[in-house]
Amino acid sequence: NAGVTQTPKFQVLKTGQSMTLQCAQDMNHEYMSWYRQDPGMGLRLIHYSVGAGITDQGEVPNGYNVSRSTTEDFPLRLLSAAPSQTSVYFCASSRYIGQGDYGYTFGSGTRLTVV
Amino acid sequence: AQKVTQAQTEISVVEKEDVTLDCVYETRDTTYYLFWYKQPPSGELVFLIRRNSFDEQNEISGRYSWNFQKSTSSFNFTITASQVVDSAVYFCALSDPSGYSTLTFGKGTMLLVSP
Repeated sequence: NAGVTQTPKFQVLKTGQSMTLQCAQDMNHEYMSWYRQDPGMGLRLIHYSVGAGITDQGEVPNGYNVSRSTTEDFPLRLLSAAPSQTSVYFCASSRYIGQGDYGYTFGSGTRLTVV
Repeated sequence: AQKVTQAQTEISVVEKEDVTLDCVYETRDTTYYLFWYKQPPSGELVFLIRRNSFDEQNEISGRYSWNFQKSTSSFNFTITASQVVDSAVYFCALSDPSGYSTLTFGKGTMLLVSP
């Protein structure tokens, strides 16, 4: 059982380049989300999805795009990378089954540097 | 709006000292979940505890204990007899009010335990 798998683990981009951060989960979780972590800021929500075909914006969505064509995958696209997008990115999946049973799993993170 | 405040940015203790990490939250919801995560220097997010709003029992797990008080909207975390391996950033998080698909994080407390 792999849980949440993020690729790549490290990436260096030049300003203006585009790329996709991959996220896949094998737990059949309905909910998936992307966070970015910056020093002193905690984790901030970028985009999230409550099921295949349904996505919504979080706190810091500008410059990012997402889609959810399957339950398992939730890729994050950087359209035109900027130095301000240098960060550590975490993907997460979760399921709410009922009171007392709520699972939330994070991937191992992607460290992105934009030069 | 939801908010999680971790007022302590950084705490330094000497090994074997007890240390308490504070977490204060704001939510309009009557049913919610609170989490603590540990982020060691390796960078992954390690789940420590989940507590739901209708269970106010305190929790103890080895050297870790959690004090949940709805009256003061606090969910504090105590490490007893701290060890060097406890050095990490600790995050408190709150489930979102509309279906538990995302989390709101505090900015984190960096704990440094010196020998």
